[in-house]
Order: sequence, then structure tokens, then C-alpha cells
Amino acid sequence: AQSVAQPEDQVNVAEGNPLTVKCTYSVSGNPYLFWYVQYPNRGLQFLLKYITGDNLVKGSYGFEAEFNKSQTSFHLKKPSALVSDSALYFCAVRPRFMNYGGSQGNLIFGKGTKLSVKP
Amino acid sequence: GAVVSQHPSRVICKSGTSVKIECRSLDFQATTMFWYRQFPKKSLMLMATSNEGSKATYEQGVEKDKFLINHASLTLSTLTVTSAHPEDSSFYICSASGGRSNQPQHFGDGTRLSIL
Repeated sequence: AQSVAQPEDQVNVAEGNPLTVKCTYSVSGNPYLFWYVQYPNRGLQFLLKYITGDNLVKGSYGFEAEFNKSQTSFHLKKPSALVSDSALYFCAVRPRFMNYGGSQGNLIFGKGTKLSVKP
Repeated sequence: GAVVSQHPSRVICKSGTSVKIECRSLDFQATTMFWYRQFPKKSLMLMATSNEGSKATYEQGVEKDKFLINHASLTLSTLTVTSAHPEDSSFYICSASGGRSNQPQHFGDGTRLSIL
């Protein structure tokens, strides 16, 4: 079965330190990869995506993610964490070449990782 | 960026009431919309996928007569929770896509439904 794993339920980081939120996937082919962030009682906000090209993708709010094909990973990173980055982060994957028209084209989500940045 | 508006943001009502939640794409045509349910401290659970002008596709275990979905136009989908009971209390989130699989889905801000 196709799946996305976020091995850490929670990541704790001191403000100003670099952060990494891990994501690995088991999806056939070369899927599209996404990161979303969710603040309390809000929907998901798109951060960044990997489609093709450079393995290092830059996104919103200073976040970036590194695609590693051999390890099937797409870890989210930020060089210097802010307290305001504290939120729930979701990694999501969609199989390539599947257009919407049914749930098969939907995103496959990881379970989420809670990021806590302390002052 | 693309904007999806979800309304209402919060609903509190009595058991037995039917509740309608609207999801609108404000600046793009949403050929496909998705409805999710999220339990506390959990990931999103896909309930159904709707394509404009056709019947929704429900995920296994989701009662189609309980959760009525209508996607009447390229900018609007509605989810109606019929005869809601306390166990239907949850956070419901919609998302929309223009149809290309390499583009992100855009999410509404969610609806907190509380059934007394």
C-alpha cells in the first residue's frame, strides 16, 4: 500500500536553531511531493512542492525541503526557527500522471508532526 | 495565491439538526473538491471527492446518505451533515484543485462542528 511516514510526532527546537521535519514515502513512480502547515483551528496552508529539477526546493516563510530519490525522502528544513513557526506540519504525496477525477488522484498525507519552537 | 473560502467557521447545534457547510474557490475554477474530517491531534481523513457536475465519490466507511455532497458549479461545493449527532462533532476541511496533479490543493480554513 502507498504511504507517507512522518516518524516524529513532535519536534522541539530552540528559536534561532535549524529545524528538520522528516518525511519518507512509499509511493510508486516519481510522485509529486508537498508540504503543508496547519495552525490551530485553521485549514492547511501550502508551503512548497517538488515536481522536478533541483532537489532543494524553496518555499514560503523561509522553509525549504530536500528531495532524496534514493532514500525516498522529502525532509522539511529551515535554517533558523521562529517561535511563530510552531504548528502542525503535514507531508503529502501524489502519484504522478494521475489527474483528479476520483480519489485515486488525491493527496496521500503523513500523520503530521507538531513543531514546537521555544524562545 | 489561490484562495478557498469555507463557511461557517464554527457551528454549534442540537442533535438531529442538519448542517450545511460551503466551500468556495474564489479565484480559480475548482474542477475537483475534496472533503476531509480531522479528529483531535490526527491527520486528515478523506471523506469524499467531488467533481463538478457529477456524483461524489465516497471513501469506504463514509455514509453517503449522512454526508451529502453537492458540487453544482466550478466554484462551489457543499457538505450537508444530515440529522447530526454528537459523534459527528469534528473539524471538517474542504480543499479544491484546478485539476492538474502537479499543482497543490488549496484548503479552506475548516469548520468546527459541535453537536450538543
